[in-house]
Amino acid sequence: GENVEQHPSTLSVQEGDSAVIKCTYSDSASNYFPWYKQELGKGPQLIIDIRSNVGEKKDQRIAVTLNKTAKHFSLHITETQPEDSAVYFCAASRQTGANNLFFGTGTRLTVIP
Amino acid sequence: DSGVTQTPKHLITATGQRVTLRCSPRSGDLSVYWYQQSLDQGLQFLIQYYNGEERAKGNILERFSAQQFPDLHSELNLSSLELGDSALYFCASSPQGGAGNTIYFGEGSWLTVV
Repeated sequence: GENVEQHPSTLSVQEGDSAVIKCTYSDSASNYFPWYKQELGKGPQLIIDIRSNVGEKKDQRIAVTLNKTAKHFSLHITETQPEDSAVYFCAASRQTGANNLFFGTGTRLTVIP
Repeated sequence: DSGVTQTPKHLITATGQRVTLRCSPRSGDLSVYWYQQSLDQGLQFLIQYYNGEERAKGNILERFSAQQFPDLHSELNLSSLELGDSALYFCASSPQGGAGNTIYFGEGSWLTVV
Protein backbone atom coordinates (compact mmCIF):
# COMPACT_ATOMS: atom_id res chain seq x y z
CA GLY A 1 0.00 0.00 0.00
CA GLU A 2 0.92 3.67 -0.07
CA ASN A 3 3.33 5.09 2.52
CA VAL A 4 3.44 8.85 3.00
CA GLU A 5 6.25 10.42 5.03
CA GLN A 6 6.06 14.00 6.23
CA HIS A 7 8.76 16.32 7.58
CA PRO A 8 9.31 18.13 9.82
CA SER A 9 7.04 17.01 12.65
CA THR A 10 7.22 20.45 14.25
CA LEU A 11 8.06 23.81 12.75
CA SER A 12 8.29 27.23 14.38
CA VAL A 13 8.61 30.39 12.33
CA GLN A 14 8.46 34.09 13.00
CA GLU A 15 5.40 35.91 11.77
CA GLY A 16 5.97 37.05 8.22
CA ASP A 17 8.50 34.33 7.41
CA SER A 18 7.83 31.41 5.08
CA ALA A 19 7.13 27.83 6.09
CA VAL A 20 7.81 24.73 4.03
CA ILE A 21 6.52 21.24 4.75
CA LYS A 22 7.69 18.28 2.69
CA CYS A 23 6.14 14.89 1.95
CA THR A 24 7.27 11.84 0.06
CA TYR A 25 5.14 8.95 -1.15
CA SER A 26 5.88 5.42 -2.26
CA ASP A 27 3.15 4.41 -4.71
CA SER A 28 3.93 5.61 -8.23
CA ALA A 29 0.24 5.23 -9.08
CA SER A 30 -0.71 8.02 -6.66
CA ASN A 31 -1.63 11.20 -8.46
CA TYR A 32 -3.88 13.21 -6.18
CA PHE A 33 -2.23 15.09 -3.32
CA PRO A 34 -4.35 17.20 -0.95
CA TRP A 35 -3.18 19.20 2.06
CA TYR A 36 -5.30 19.58 5.16
CA LYS A 37 -5.07 22.00 8.06
CA GLN A 38 -6.32 20.86 11.45
CA GLU A 39 -6.90 23.35 14.23
CA LEU A 40 -7.29 22.27 17.82
CA GLY A 41 -10.60 20.53 18.41
CA LYS A 42 -11.62 20.64 14.76
CA GLY A 43 -11.62 18.32 11.79
CA PRO A 44 -9.08 18.47 8.97
CA GLN A 45 -9.87 21.25 6.51
CA LEU A 46 -8.75 21.03 2.90
CA ILE A 47 -6.55 24.02 2.07
CA ILE A 48 -5.13 23.10 -1.32
CA ASP A 49 -4.67 20.08 -3.54
CA ILE A 50 -2.73 19.17 -6.63
CA ARG A 51 -3.14 16.54 -9.28
CA SER A 52 -0.30 14.94 -11.18
CA ASN A 53 -0.91 16.75 -14.42
CA VAL A 54 0.45 19.98 -12.90
CA GLY A 55 3.72 20.71 -11.12
CA GLU A 56 2.65 23.68 -9.05
CA LYS A 57 -0.52 25.27 -7.77
CA LYS A 58 -0.93 28.50 -5.87
CA ASP A 59 -3.74 30.02 -3.85
CA GLN A 60 -2.90 33.39 -2.32
CA ARG A 61 -0.22 32.72 0.34
CA ILE A 62 -0.29 28.96 -0.10
CA ALA A 63 1.41 26.97 -2.84
CA VAL A 64 2.03 23.31 -3.44
CA THR A 65 4.70 21.81 -5.69
CA LEU A 66 4.86 18.26 -7.00
CA ASN A 67 7.80 16.27 -8.35
CA LYS A 68 6.43 12.98 -9.63
CA THR A 69 9.82 11.69 -10.67
CA ALA A 70 11.17 12.06 -7.16
CA LYS A 71 7.80 11.22 -5.58
CA HIS A 72 7.68 14.24 -3.34
CA PHE A 73 5.44 17.23 -2.87
CA SER A 74 5.70 20.29 -0.68
CA LEU A 75 3.49 22.92 0.92
CA HIS A 76 4.75 26.49 0.98
CA ILE A 77 3.14 29.16 3.14
CA THR A 78 4.42 32.69 2.65
CA GLU A 79 3.98 35.72 4.92
CA THR A 80 2.89 33.49 7.78
CA GLN A 81 0.37 34.81 10.30
CA PRO A 82 -0.47 33.59 13.82
CA GLU A 83 -3.72 32.12 12.51
CA ASP A 84 -1.68 29.78 10.33
CA SER A 85 -0.66 27.94 13.52
CA ALA A 86 -2.15 24.45 13.28
CA VAL A 87 -1.28 20.87 12.36
CA TYR A 88 -0.88 20.32 8.63
CA PHE A 89 -1.32 16.93 6.97
CA CYS A 90 -0.33 15.88 3.49
CA ALA A 91 -2.09 12.98 1.82
CA ALA A 92 -1.95 10.92 -1.34
CA SER A 93 -4.33 8.78 -3.28
CA ARG A 94 -4.69 7.18 -6.64
CA GLN A 95 -6.75 8.69 -9.41
CA THR A 96 -8.47 5.36 -10.04
CA GLY A 97 -10.17 2.85 -7.84
CA ALA A 98 -11.30 3.58 -4.31
CA ASN A 99 -10.85 7.05 -2.89
CA ASN A 100 -8.95 6.32 0.32
CA LEU A 101 -6.46 8.95 1.33
CA PHE A 102 -3.14 7.94 2.88
CA PHE A 103 -2.05 10.62 5.29
CA GLY A 104 1.34 11.78 6.48
CA THR A 105 1.98 12.01 10.20
CA GLY A 106 1.40 15.75 10.39
CA THR A 107 3.44 18.89 11.01
CA ARG A 108 2.67 21.16 13.93
CA LEU A 109 3.31 24.70 12.70
CA THR A 110 3.68 27.49 15.23
CA VAL A 111 3.85 31.06 14.02
CA ILE A 112 5.45 33.30 16.63
CA PRO A 113 4.05 36.85 16.70
CA ASP B 1 -17.92 24.57 8.41
CA SER B 2 -17.50 21.68 5.95
CA GLY B 3 -21.17 20.71 5.96
CA VAL B 4 -20.45 17.25 7.35
CA THR B 5 -22.28 16.75 10.64
CA GLN B 6 -21.24 14.25 13.29
CA THR B 7 -22.89 13.27 16.55
CA PRO B 8 -22.12 12.94 19.37
CA LYS B 9 -19.14 15.29 19.71
CA HIS B 10 -17.93 13.61 22.90
CA LEU B 11 -18.63 10.21 24.33
CA ILE B 12 -17.30 8.43 27.40
CA THR B 13 -18.04 4.77 27.84
CA ALA B 14 -16.72 1.71 29.64
CA THR B 15 -14.72 -1.18 28.26
CA GLY B 16 -16.84 -3.89 26.73
CA GLN B 17 -19.62 -1.53 25.76
CA ARG B 18 -20.99 -0.67 22.32
CA VAL B 19 -21.45 2.79 20.83
CA THR B 20 -22.82 4.21 17.61
CA LEU B 21 -21.45 7.29 15.91
CA ARG B 22 -23.62 9.10 13.42
CA CYS B 23 -22.75 11.15 10.36
CA SER B 24 -24.66 13.25 7.87
CA PRO B 25 -22.69 14.02 4.70
CA ARG B 26 -22.63 17.33 2.87
CA SER B 27 -25.75 17.97 0.87
CA GLY B 28 -25.46 16.16 -2.44
CA ASP B 29 -22.46 14.02 -1.49
CA LEU B 30 -22.95 10.35 -2.20
CA SER B 31 -19.85 8.93 -0.57
CA VAL B 32 -19.07 8.71 3.14
CA TYR B 33 -15.79 7.81 4.78
CA TRP B 34 -14.78 6.99 8.34
CA TYR B 35 -11.32 7.77 9.68
CA GLN B 36 -9.76 7.20 13.10
CA GLN B 37 -7.25 9.62 14.54
CA SER B 38 -5.10 8.60 17.48
CA LEU B 39 -1.83 9.94 18.80
CA ASP B 40 0.18 6.84 17.90
CA GLN B 41 -1.50 5.91 14.61
CA GLY B 42 -2.29 9.27 13.06
CA LEU B 43 -5.19 9.49 10.62
CA GLN B 44 -6.21 6.00 9.55
CA PHE B 45 -8.78 5.18 6.89
CA LEU B 46 -11.45 2.76 8.17
CA ILE B 47 -14.11 2.36 5.52
CA GLN B 48 -15.85 4.05 2.59
CA TYR B 49 -19.43 3.84 1.40
CA TYR B 50 -20.84 5.06 -1.85
CA ASN B 51 -24.58 5.44 -2.33
CA GLY B 52 -25.33 2.82 0.29
CA GLU B 53 -22.77 0.25 -0.78
CA GLU B 54 -19.39 -0.50 0.77
CA ARG B 55 -16.73 0.81 -1.59
CA ALA B 56 -13.44 0.26 0.20
CA LYS B 57 -12.22 -1.09 3.49
CA GLY B 58 -9.12 -0.01 5.34
CA ASN B 59 -7.80 -0.77 8.81
CA ILE B 60 -11.21 -1.42 10.34
CA LEU B 61 -11.36 -3.95 13.17
CA GLU B 62 -13.85 -6.79 13.05
CA ARG B 63 -15.45 -5.35 16.21
CA PHE B 64 -16.33 -2.26 14.18
CA SER B 65 -18.98 -2.04 11.50
CA ALA B 66 -20.59 0.69 9.48
CA GLN B 67 -23.44 1.27 7.11
CA GLN B 68 -24.85 3.97 4.90
CA PHE B 69 -28.60 4.37 4.81
CA PRO B 70 -30.89 5.29 1.89
CA ASP B 71 -30.94 8.90 3.03
CA LEU B 72 -27.09 8.73 2.77
CA HIS B 73 -26.37 9.26 6.45
CA SER B 74 -23.95 6.79 7.94
CA GLU B 75 -23.36 5.12 11.27
CA LEU B 76 -20.19 3.60 12.67
CA ASN B 77 -20.79 0.92 15.30
CA LEU B 78 -18.00 0.12 17.73
CA SER B 79 -18.48 -2.91 19.97
CA SER B 80 -16.60 -4.74 22.73
CA LEU B 81 -14.74 -1.52 23.29
CA GLU B 82 -11.18 -1.55 24.56
CA LEU B 83 -9.08 1.20 26.08
CA GLY B 84 -7.09 1.40 22.86
CA ASP B 85 -10.21 2.36 20.92
CA SER B 86 -10.14 5.79 22.55
CA ALA B 87 -9.63 8.17 19.64
CA LEU B 88 -11.15 10.86 17.51
CA TYR B 89 -13.40 9.39 14.83
CA PHE B 90 -13.97 11.48 11.75
CA CYS B 91 -16.63 11.15 9.15
CA ALA B 92 -15.97 12.67 5.75
CA SER B 93 -17.85 12.89 2.49
CA SER B 94 -17.24 13.49 -1.19
CA PRO B 95 -19.53 14.11 -4.15
CA GLN B 96 -18.71 10.81 -5.83
CA GLY B 97 -16.94 7.67 -4.70
CA GLY B 98 -14.09 7.53 -7.15
CA ALA B 99 -10.46 8.26 -6.52
CA GLY B 100 -9.41 11.89 -6.66
CA ASN B 101 -12.72 13.21 -5.35
CA THR B 102 -12.21 15.99 -2.84
CA ILE B 103 -12.95 14.75 0.67
CA TYR B 104 -14.48 17.03 3.30
CA PHE B 105 -14.18 16.16 6.98
CA GLY B 106 -16.57 16.68 9.85
CA GLU B 107 -15.56 17.96 13.28
CA GLY B 108 -15.18 14.48 14.73
CA SER B 109 -16.56 12.40 17.57
CA TRP B 110 -14.20 12.11 20.50
CA LEU B 111 -14.52 8.65 22.09
CA THR B 112 -13.02 7.93 25.48
CA VAL B 113 -13.12 4.37 26.75
CA VAL B 114 -12.53 4.00 30.50
